[in-house]
Amino acid sequence: ELKVEQNPLFLSMQEGKNYTIYCNYSTTSDRLYWYRQDPGKSLESLFVLLSNGAVKQEGRLMASLDTKARLSTLHITAAVHDLSATYFCAVESQGGSEKLVFGKGTKLTVNP
Amino acid sequence: EPEVTQTPSHQVTQMGQEVILRCVPISNHLYFYWYRQILGQKVEFLVSFYNNEISEKSEIFDDQFSVERPDGSNFTLKIRSTKLEDSAMYFCASSELGGRAANTGELFFGEGSRLTVL
Repeated sequence: ELKVEQNPLFLSMQEGKNYTIYCNYSTTSDRLYWYRQDPGKSLESLFVLLSNGAVKQEGRLMASLDTKARLSTLHITAAVHDLSATYFCAVESQGGSEKLVFGKGTKLTVNP
Repeated sequence: EPEVTQTPSHQVTQMGQEVILRCVPISNHLYFYWYRQILGQKVEFLVSFYNNEISEKSEIFDDQFSVERPDGSNFTLKIRSTKLEDSAMYFCASSELGGRAANTGELFFGEGSRLTVL
């Protein structure tokens, strides 16, 4: 059974600092997604990572995927307050399944 | 920009009552999903639907739950007899292609329907 672990679950950081959120998963998959969720809101798609070594960047966020290590990272560069949200990684089950298995989420708070 | 729309945004119901949550997926999408999120917890898969039938369902999706696409645009989730533990945010999602396809199969989520069972 596919399990997805994110860490840290809570992250409080100062504006301007860098940090990385980690997403590990337990079984083979080559599709991983990162979502952002603001309180009480829906899931906003940030990145779709489809292959080993994939790296995508959007603004201050950069995501990468290492399928051999079963690890994805979401790197935050020079954080700003607007990035405060909960970030979820989700991994697609293989073997014919279509479902996404989500991590527990990382609640990021960026302090001025 | 096309989006997935859900109604109602919030529903309060008594335990044992039937609830129907409605979703209008993006118009050219073929795969439809329901996920739920209990307050403060992670998002959990409930069911996927393709070609007018369920393609996969989770253990959560027991006999109390059903889905249908009654008219070619709406996609509904029915909970026949609600329990307290059904209180959650329910997200509908759709994708143009299923996850198995070579393309991204990216899911687009609706704003969610918050269900409160008293």
